[in-house]
Amino acid sequence: DSGVTQTPKHLITATGQRVTLRCSPRSGDLSVYWYQQSLDQGLQFLIQYYNGEERAKGNILERFSAQQFPDLHSELNLSSLELGDSALYFCASSVASQASEGYEQYFGPGTRLTVT
Amino acid sequence: QQQVKQSPQSLIVQKGGISIINCAYENTAFDYFPWYQQFPGKGPALLIAIRPDVSEKKEGRFTISFNKSAKQFSLHIMDSQPGDSATYFCAVHSGGYQKVTFGTGTKLQVIP
Repeated sequence: DSGVTQTPKHLITATGQRVTLRCSPRSGDLSVYWYQQSLDQGLQFLIQYYNGEERAKGNILERFSAQQFPDLHSELNLSSLELGDSALYFCASSVASQASEGYEQYFGPGTRLTVT
Repeated sequence: QQQVKQSPQSLIVQKGGISIINCAYENTAFDYFPWYQQFPGKGPALLIAIRPDVSEKKEGRFTISFNKSAKQFSLHIMDSQPGDSATYFCAVHSGGYQKVTFGTGTKLQVIP
């Protein structure tokens, strides 16, 4: 158990809908990362937050947004869902945000999103 | 733009053998090179990682070999066991805020 929790575990929704995925980092971790894992695209980095602020952006679509709240939990919002958004979404956390402070990331169990 | 190339895509190794997975990267600004292990239905778990100032790091049966000039790094699993059967991902980190790129993954099967 990594200490990172994600809810829900599974989510089935229809095209055009909007969903929210939730992540709680390990106790003491300030950084949260979101990843998308699909069969044809592998593991893609979406976005990173540190202590409530956005720090790095990867291949995140404009239909997707995220935020990190004062209690450090994070939410990933996916809107106008398309069939191609079906994937596993992982959250990871780490203590630090910068190179000098350590990089170890701990992944949650993921949310499996199915868009029908 | 693919910044990390991982090979092979799949690997079958006999129990007790050595499993070798390779990654090649393009950007010399990368400064942290981890390997992750992922079992079906689970999130990736950090296995071992190396920084570019060392050429090799060993933790138990797992070793990373790093060749800075060739821009390649590899994972060696000694005495491979059936419990090592999983998908392995290399990754590269760049910049101060950990922009991460993952390799495409290698599905390892260790047969008894």
